[in-house]
Amino acid sequence: KAGVTQTPRYLIKTRGQQVTLSCSPISGHRSVSWYQQTPGQGLQFLFEYFSETQRNKGNFPGRFSGRQFSNSRSEMNVSTLELGDSALYLCASSSRQGSETQYFGPGTRLLVL
Amino acid sequence: KQEVTQIPAALSVPEGENLVLNCSFTDSAIYNLQWFRQDPGKGLTSLLLIQSSQREQTSGRLNASLDKSSGRSTLYIAASQPGDSATYLCAVPGSGNTGKLIFGQGTTLQVKP
Repeated sequence: KAGVTQTPRYLIKTRGQQVTLSCSPISGHRSVSWYQQTPGQGLQFLFEYFSETQRNKGNFPGRFSGRQFSNSRSEMNVSTLELGDSALYLCASSSRQGSETQYFGPGTRLLVL
Repeated sequence: KQEVTQIPAALSVPEGENLVLNCSFTDSAIYNLQWFRQDPGKGLTSLLLIQSSQREQTSGRLNASLDKSSGRSTLYIAASQPGDSATYLCAVPGSGNTGKLIFGQGTTLQVKP
């Protein structure tokens, strides 16, 4: 089975722009979660989606949003980018909602200038 | 509020040594605990998941134990190899049976040939 894929892998944007990141889960997996990883804050949870519904949301401003499609693929969007949004954005998939083994993608590295 | 702590932050050992990585969590009411490995600039690889009803879980040279009552888990790596060099992260679900994971800051391991 193919693993979790994320596109693009690298992205450079300037402050004020917006960005959309994509995540394709492992085939058959219906749950997708997103995390932000920075050297200072470590890994922080952004959202969890299951069957196209947001089930959990982390403590991030409304500039961060996401959605999940009927094929379980997910996107996250960050509007009005700030320098502090520079990070590695990771998505993870699992077969069921709730706590079980999560499989992570390689991440999208976002640099905001 | 659940908090996860990993000690030490960094560890350097000669090849062949057995070693123990520590993880502690503040709320013992967890569904499970996961250990992950992250290579520089890459995504996370799931190593082991221990359910709350289990005391330990083994995979090859890795053994993870869980003591819920004391809020601790350890990852034991036998006969370490240079290829084991990476950052090791432990994570527990947020409150309830949720896909939201709360991560420790990680232990960066270097195994010297």
